[in-house]
Amino acid sequence: KNQVEQSPQSLIILEGKNCTLQCNYTVSPFSNLRWYKQDTGRGPVSLTIMTFSENTKSNGRYTATLDADTKQSSLHITASQLSDSASYICVVSLSGNTPLVFGKGTRLSVIA
Amino acid sequence: DGGITQSPKYLFRKEGQNVTLSCEQNLNHDAMYWYRQDPGQGLRLIYYSQIVNDFQKGDIAEGYSVSREKKESFPLTVTSAQKNPTAFYLCASSMGIGRDEQFFGPGTRLTVL
Repeated sequence: KNQVEQSPQSLIILEGKNCTLQCNYTVSPFSNLRWYKQDTGRGPVSLTIMTFSENTKSNGRYTATLDADTKQSSLHITASQLSDSASYICVVSLSGNTPLVFGKGTRLSVIA
Repeated sequence: DGGITQSPKYLFRKEGQNVTLSCEQNLNHDAMYWYRQDPGQGLRLIYYSQIVNDFQKGDIAEGYSVSREKKESFPLTVTSAQKNPTAFYLCASSMGIGRDEQFFGPGTRLTVL
């Protein structure tokens, strides 16, 4: 069964600190992996996308990694800000015309 | 200003009533989707459409219905058969099904009293 597992479920960090969110997937055939950010009560917004051949992608303070061999991805947030408080969702797409597979997300709270 | 709009932002209905949620996009995308999100849960796919006049059931289609008469519009009806309709509903669109980025609307929070 195609699944995406994220950890931790929730995380609280102090403003200015770094953090890393994890995503493990059992999806085949794999096409690409995206990380989305969802603010409370809003729709998700794409942060990064990685295909099979890419192992690192950055978007400002966000850096995503992908290990296609172990089927693991991580999202590293550097120098966190209060505005980083949100849910971060790992989403994997399969080859062909099939819907995306979503993880349940990690709820990040950045406190002053 | 391109994007996806959903209306209304908040919706209240009495139990037993059908209710229709609106979703419109001006991105010229062929594919559109409806998701349901409950607290602590991931997004679950209700219905999706690859092209006008065609749609497919997702993982939790029971108690819901859709139509796709126009490329820009994909309304979702929550029927009285849906046993637990209170949730946050998200509409999305993409160029095609699968690997293309999905763009999400702002969501509609439905509360059934």
